[in-house]
Amino acid sequence: DAGVIQSPRHEVTEMGQEVTLRCKPISGHNSLFWYRQTMMRGLELLIYFNNNVPIDDSGMPEDRFSAKMPNASFSTLKIQPSEPRDSAVYFCASSSGEDGYTFGSGTRLTVV
Amino acid sequence: EDQVTQSPEALRLQEGESSSLNCSYTVSGLRGLFWYRQDPGKGPEFLFTLYSAGEEKEKERLKATLTKKESFLHITAPKPEDSATYLCAIQGGSQGNLIFGKGTKLSVKP
Repeated sequence: DAGVIQSPRHEVTEMGQEVTLRCKPISGHNSLFWYRQTMMRGLELLIYFNNNVPIDDSGMPEDRFSAKMPNASFSTLKIQPSEPRDSAVYFCASSSGEDGYTFGSGTRLTVV
Repeated sequence: EDQVTQSPEALRLQEGESSSLNCSYTVSGLRGLFWYRQDPGKGPEFLFTLYSAGEEKEKERLKATLTKKESFLHITAPKPEDSATYLCAIQGGSQGNLIFGKGTKLSVKP
């Protein structure tokens, strides 16, 4: 298995632009999580899905953030409009409910 | 509120110098405590899950232990390749997600 696949690896965008981050979870995993990591706040959960249904989106900072999971093999996290304070590394992780989550390599987002 | 605190924030060791990392937690009904390793530019990599007080798990030079209030990650005779940030996370009874601490950055010098 190729693991959790995220794209792009790096994204640099200007303030006000729309940004879309993509994630392909491990086949057979029924839970998917979006986390954001910064030096100040560490890893914070943004939203998670179970069987493609959003379960908890209380970590989504503002209405500018939205996430979708149209099928079991794909999810997106969209920021519109983006702001400099959104700069962080965004991780996607998936789980089968057994031990641990498997994380992707992350997308480093820089908003200038 | 469920919470995880890791200490120290950073730890420098000489190769072969054993030590321990601490993870203190408060949670309503612990379902599991997780340890991850994170290398620069990569996502966290799963190490262990502990489910109940008194449980221990080992992997190479690492041993994780759990009490009702904290977990320790013991590193025996570390090598430079053990240098990484070690993250602790908890899963509470009412949640499906993991809550992470800020991590301990370990540096092992040859």
